[in-house]
Amino acid sequence: EAGVTQSPTHLIKTRGQQATLRCSPISGHTSVYWYQQALGLGLQFLLWYDEGEERNRGNFPPRFSGRQFPNYSSELNVNALELEDSALYLCASSLWETGFFGEKLFFGSGTQLSVL
Amino acid sequence: SQQGEEDPQALSIQEGENATMNCSYKTSINNLQWYRQNSGRGLVHLILIRSNEREKHSGRLRVTLDTSKKSSSLLITASRAADTASYFCATARIQSGNTPLVFGKGTRLSVIA
Repeated sequence: EAGVTQSPTHLIKTRGQQATLRCSPISGHTSVYWYQQALGLGLQFLLWYDEGEERNRGNFPPRFSGRQFPNYSSELNVNALELEDSALYLCASSLWETGFFGEKLFFGSGTQLSVL
Repeated sequence: SQQGEEDPQALSIQEGENATMNCSYKTSINNLQWYRQNSGRGLVHLILIRSNEREKHSGRLRVTLDTSKKSSSLLITASRAADTASYFCATARIQSGNTPLVFGKGTRLSVIA
């Protein structure tokens, strides 16, 4: 069974550009989560989607946005990139019920975004 | 803001020794989990301990939870070079609802062969 897949693995952008990151959850999982891991800062929660709807959002500006498609895959879009957006972006998935009650998450390998 | 804080930030030990990492948190929790991350890639779930449990074992891992002190510890026995990684605790608040897991900053473990 395939795990959570993310693409691209690496992404290099310049300040002011837009970045699109993609995530495919484990088959059968309906919830997708996005976390940002900047150097030395641990994981910061960005967004949570389930059944195509945004369920929760972390403390990030509106230029961080996303969506979930009918097949439960998800996109994270970052507009007007800033240097401090450079980070590893991790996607995770779970069944809705397990995510709702705080059970374990399954993570992808991440997209390393570098903003120059 | 971080819910869990791991201690120490970094730990270096010899192969065969035991490694102990600690996690402190702030609010009441439903469960606490430990994850491992190799070389800045994806996190892998190691173990989950519920708020009504005090100790749990999984292979060479032993996790304890003290809800009165709002703290947990992860013990890795007989460590191996392959255990070299960052270890994160994550907490699920007591009324999770739509609240996601909150991660600490992690402990970097280096196991020297």
